[in-house]
Amino acid sequence: QSVLTQPPSVSGAPGQRVTISCTGSNSNIGAGYDVHWYQQLPGTAPKLLIYVNSHRPSGVPARFSGSKSGTSASLAITGLQAEDEADYYCQSYDSSLSALFGGGTKLTVL
Amino acid sequence: EVQLVESGGGLVQPGGSLRLSCAASGFTFSDYWMHWVRQAPGKGLVWVSRIHSDGSSANYADSVKGRFTISRDNAKNSLYLQMNSLRVEDTAVYYCVRGDRFGYGDYWGQGTLVTVSS
Repeated sequence: QSVLTQPPSVSGAPGQRVTISCTGSNSNIGAGYDVHWYQQLPGTAPKLLIYVNSHRPSGVPARFSGSKSGTSASLAITGLQAEDEADYYCQSYDSSLSALFGGGTKLTVL
Repeated sequence: EVQLVESGGGLVQPGGSLRLSCAASGFTFSDYWMHWVRQAPGKGLVWVSRIHSDGSSANYADSVKGRFTISRDNAKNSLYLQMNSLRVEDTAVYYCVRGDRFGYGDYWGQGTLVTVSS
């Protein structure tokens, strides 16, 4: 069981908006550590999607956005597209000197 | 172009050892913390270890502490993971990741598969 909790799955129709939550605690997200998000397409290595809570690397569409508040963070995807179907992971750091990943969320585009 | 290429994975018996390597190119390797992250078949990402840019400090996940050792050779632009006393539950794809102190990873290798089985 991961220290950062994500829903196992979410789904949405093309064009819709979906959100993925990432819930931590006062020793990680709530302690002020940044949250990052990764997208993993089937059979490939993870790719950085959002860094430092809400910043998009070059090349990542503006449809992807991130936010953080208190002990939680969220990834939002608007204008859902078929190619967004993937696994999504949040990541932060814990005061125990460990980097942490959420358990991952499988996004299905209906 | 940043590239991270892992090697050294394979099949090993429980209790055995394996050394993973990661060849880095396209950036100043000695400027970055480096990490190993693993993913068991069909499972999620798990952070394994990190090492300071100059190799002066390292940290490990509890699940591998005392069994795995991370190291680097900045002259060779290479990262390593020495894995001893391997267990079946260490079976995973191991990724080499460029990042910062807190685990943020902006570039990932393609991964190398380690299978621990008798």
